[in-house]
Amino acid sequence: GESVGLHLPTLSVQEGDNSIINCAYSNSASDYFIWYKQESGKGPQFIIDIRSNMDKRQGQRVTVLLNKTVKHLSLQIAATQPGDSAVYFCAEKNSGTYKYIFGTGTRLKVLA
Amino acid sequence: DAGVTQSPTHLIKTRGQQVTLRCSPISGHKSVSWYQQVLGQGPQFIFQYYEKEERGRGNFPDRFSARQFPNYSSELNVNALLLGDSALYLCATQLEGVNEQFFGPGTRLTVL
Repeated sequence: GESVGLHLPTLSVQEGDNSIINCAYSNSASDYFIWYKQESGKGPQFIIDIRSNMDKRQGQRVTVLLNKTVKHLSLQIAATQPGDSAVYFCAEKNSGTYKYIFGTGTRLKVLA
Repeated sequence: DAGVTQSPTHLIKTRGQQVTLRCSPISGHKSVSWYQQVLGQGPQFIFQYYEKEERGRGNFPDRFSARQFPNYSSELNVNALLLGDSALYLCATQLEGVNEQFFGPGTRLTVL
């Protein structure tokens, strides 16, 4: 099936540092993008979303950047905490469909 | 309010058997989507149901089917199980007109 992003990489960061997780998407027709956090044994949890008419959106400690020119999405986490350790997925959707396409994810490890 | 619930939590079946998984949405959510998540990969969209009708389907064979009930709960059925069907099956629900999906904890299916 289709997939967004690369094979599952791992990002290790020191507690308190900022984290940047990247994602490449393939469908230029996608106009809605989401970042999810998935902890072991749980379903994905919504973090933040962005529509294609925006380049940047900020939440609490998180920022999503969208570069439509190169079809790239990133999630920035400020002051990374141990509780941020999880697998992070980006997902894309076209408003004309009901199908969400997920990437394979990035594992974030926070080092104390 | 209760979140999305799924049952059972874990299930072990043998090849050729049939399985039924269940999902109860958040109150007020009429849309239910099913995803398959193989270990180490992102969720793959199977289908979405709204008002008891299927309105989107991913690249899955006809062995996968589902239905939605008047109370908006849903069942996923998989016939003639294969070893490759072993995965975490996730249910996600959402309000109509809203993109954000809320995921349940999933059902871990193991096919031996």
